[in-house]
Amino acid sequence: EVQLVESGGGLVQPGGSLRLSCAASGFTFSTYSMNWVRQAPGKGLEWVSYISRRSTATYYADSVRGRFTISRDNAKNSLYLQMNSLRDEDTAVYYCAREPAEMDDAFDIWGHGTMVTVSS
Amino acid sequence: QSALTQPASVSGSPGQSITISCTGTSSDVGSYDRVSWYLQHPGKAPKLMIYEVNKRPSGVSDRFSASKSGNTASLTISGLQAEDEADYYCSSFAGSGTYVMFGGGTKLTVL
Repeated sequence: EVQLVESGGGLVQPGGSLRLSCAASGFTFSTYSMNWVRQAPGKGLEWVSYISRRSTATYYADSVRGRFTISRDNAKNSLYLQMNSLRDEDTAVYYCAREPAEMDDAFDIWGHGTMVTVSS
Repeated sequence: QSALTQPASVSGSPGQSITISCTGTSSDVGSYDRVSWYLQHPGKAPKLMIYEVNKRPSGVSDRFSASKSGNTASLTISGLQAEDEADYYCSSFAGSGTYVMFGGGTKLTVL
């Protein structure tokens, strides 16, 4: 079964750090670009970050650039999001999403999400 | 980075058709044929329904269709069913710097 499973969410104080992980299974992880998308409570979807298949290209939303770092380990079939200098407005469910090469900028498989709460 | 503009809500009766609009700019929707549509039921992950303006992934019902004209994309759902009730989001490529932008979402109510 094709699956993405996020982990690493939790409660963190403003200014703190958190590292999210996304474990992929059921497909050849290294052949897909990957993304992080978040959704604040009761709000819409917000794209956060992109990484290419071989990590040669990364992109970030303006709201997280300079604070978040996306990375991947193809040998471990895993995607990561290092989040530093967290703010209240980073509170959200964070989803990892697969992006097939044949579907430009479309995300065909999503994880169930992991909740990040930034609060003192 | 401003979100694409969608109506907050639409509604329709079973069997009817509805259309959801998604308005962007000449820098995103108007420049690229890379608009996607997602369905999200409460508490669930989004599901891809349309990609590259009007293509349906395998397994998506042909009751879902989409198009684009200028800076506005549209999703049409025909033969409305109760299970279509959900939030719908559009997204568009917006250049290699901004990458992807989502719409604010539209809540579809099946009356």
